[in-house]
Amino acid sequence: GAVVSQHPSRVICKSGTSVKIECRSLDFQATTMFWYRQFPKQSLMLMATSNEGSKATYEQGVEKDKFLINHASLTLSTLTVTSAHPEDSSFYICSARQQGTAIHFGNGTRLTVT
Amino acid sequence: AQSVTQPDIHITVSEGASLELRCNYSYGATPYLFWYVQSPGQGLQLLLKYFSGDTLVQGIKGFEAEFKRSQSSFNLRKPSVHWSDAAEYFCAVGVTSYDKVIFGPGTSLSVIP
Repeated sequence: GAVVSQHPSRVICKSGTSVKIECRSLDFQATTMFWYRQFPKQSLMLMATSNEGSKATYEQGVEKDKFLINHASLTLSTLTVTSAHPEDSSFYICSARQQGTAIHFGNGTRLTVT
Repeated sequence: AQSVTQPDIHITVSEGASLELRCNYSYGATPYLFWYVQSPGQGLQLLLKYFSGDTLVQGIKGFEAEFKRSQSSFNLRKPSVHWSDAAEYFCAVGVTSYDKVIFGPGTSLSVIP
């Protein structure tokens, strides 16, 4: 079956630093990927839609300068949390669109900012 | 705009008992509906999905869900719960089968041995 890999699965960084999260579709091309954020014991909230070769579309209330999304190839989208602060600590999950058929979720990245 | 509600924040059942998790959606057209399960600290696993056709959908791990258009509901059921079913369950709605999905708030399931 289609596999979406997220890396790293866990990351701890210091306040003020930036951290990059990768989302890869391993066995299919994904022109569109989606990034979600999940606070503890809460649901997943869509942050942005990432389109290969173009700018991401951000949901209302999501700071595009803080959460930089790059979708440089058909199999890779990255989310960079810039100048991270403790309130950015969260679980980030991506999903990738397998053209015309389905979406597949990654296993998520646990970000802790100290 | 689409939205999903899951009226039950937390449910506790005994192992071997039956289970029903409720889900109601709001969408103007025929929705694409999903149920996902998330174990603590883990990613999402798709249990089942409904796009069209038979309104009773069979999924993995013995789960099934029934789409009722008149009630705007898509409740998840399992006849006999196992301790390993303890997890967070999310109902979700999408415009298509391969687009972004909107998640409900989730229902946390605890299973008593």
